[in-house]
Amino acid sequence: EPEVTQTPSHQVTQMGQEVILRCVPISNHLYFYWYRQILGQKVEFLVSFYNNEISEKSEIFDDQFSVERPDGSNFTLKIRSTKLEDSAMYFCASRGPGTYEQYFGPGTRLTVT
Amino acid sequence: RKEVEQDPGPFNVPEGATVAFNCTYSNSASQSFFWYRQDCRKEPKLLMSVYSSGNEDGRFTAQLNRASQYISLLIRDSKLSDSATYLCVVNDWAAGNKLTFGGGTRVLVKP
Repeated sequence: EPEVTQTPSHQVTQMGQEVILRCVPISNHLYFYWYRQILGQKVEFLVSFYNNEISEKSEIFDDQFSVERPDGSNFTLKIRSTKLEDSAMYFCASRGPGTYEQYFGPGTRLTVT
Repeated sequence: RKEVEQDPGPFNVPEGATVAFNCTYSNSASQSFFWYRQDCRKEPKLLMSVYSSGNEDGRFTAQLNRASQYISLLIRDSKLSDSATYLCVVNDWAAGNKLTFGGGTRVLVKP
């Protein structure tokens, strides 16, 4: 069964550093998403991406965040200057054409020290 | 009012019993609804989609009441492996199909 994959599984970084989280969506999917979950809190939407453009973003997704689909398989989330409050689990999700179901990757646990 | 509200539980359920819990949502324009299950520190996994008034998949039954803006999930013949947090999720077609999650209902099935 096709799966969304994410790397790394855990990233530790110092405050102010840049991080790039990587995702490989399911191969025939066209819609891509990033969500985050701070420990003990609910899953929160960050951004949706389709046809090489951001289609929707949340208030969390400020100028420190960016997304990119650098090639035909990867989808990345970049945080330019990490803050302590960026520590969370970051989930990538993808959705196929003509469907509404989103499938999530295993997540990257980001720890900012 | 929170966008998607759930009773956090935990619901302690004897193995083999039936458990049901609800979720309410505030956006009456929401078009599609899902139940995901999340195990500790893992990703949400799609359990069921709820597009019309209800949906059944094996031991799991979901019902949607648009007039009262709630969705329910019922688990019959509970297994130990059903222990998890169940996330009620609402899809906003008008906002890039972003998903809005409830805080989850924790279910513990005990022998």
